[in-house]
Amino acid sequence: GAVVSQHPSRVICKSGTSVKIECRSLDFQATTMFWYRQFPKQSLMLMATSNEGSKATYEQGVEKDKFLINHASLTLSTLTVTSAHPEDSSFYICSSQQVHEQYFGPGTRLTVT
Amino acid sequence: AQTVTQSQPEMSVQEAETVTLSCTYDTSESDYYLFWYKQPPSRQMILVIRQEAYKQQNATENRFSVNFQKAAKSFSLKISDSQLGDAAMYFCACAMNRDDKIIFGKGTRLHILP
Repeated sequence: GAVVSQHPSRVICKSGTSVKIECRSLDFQATTMFWYRQFPKQSLMLMATSNEGSKATYEQGVEKDKFLINHASLTLSTLTVTSAHPEDSSFYICSSQQVHEQYFGPGTRLTVT
Repeated sequence: AQTVTQSQPEMSVQEAETVTLSCTYDTSESDYYLFWYKQPPSRQMILVIRQEAYKQQNATENRFSVNFQKAAKSFSLKISDSQLGDAAMYFCACAMNRDDKIIFGKGTRLHILP
């Protein structure tokens, strides 16, 4: 099956700094990718839909200036958490769409100290 | 807007027994897709089974099957011959179509008792 990778798998950053998370579809091209956030023992909450070559569509309540999404190629989408704060600490998961299927990455655990 | 409700936060089942996880959903669309995803401790999301709303026949995948009741907006997952490796969080989910965003329920944590 299709493989989606995320990098890094874990990251610790200081409050006020920015951190970038990459989501790559390794063996297929994805015009659409999705970014989710998962707090401990909770469900996945959709943050935004990332479309190659166009602006991302953010879900209600998600700050687009804080969570910058770039989908510059058919195999790469990035999520940048700007001016991170401890409350941004979470597990971030991306998924890539290919021919009516969504394939999930392994997730990135972000800890802001 | 779509909503997905899982009313069982946790369930336990004896190994080799059968367990059913419940899910209800709400959507105003006539064409949509329903999913069950498994999230083991590794946190990798794994698709267990999918159901297309326009298909009346219940989907099955080996030991996993669903009971899709469209009028009642119910979509339960039955796991037969439960195995220790089935222990995980199970999320019920819905999408308008397979190209659209997936909305997840809150999940049911399944414990398998040896």
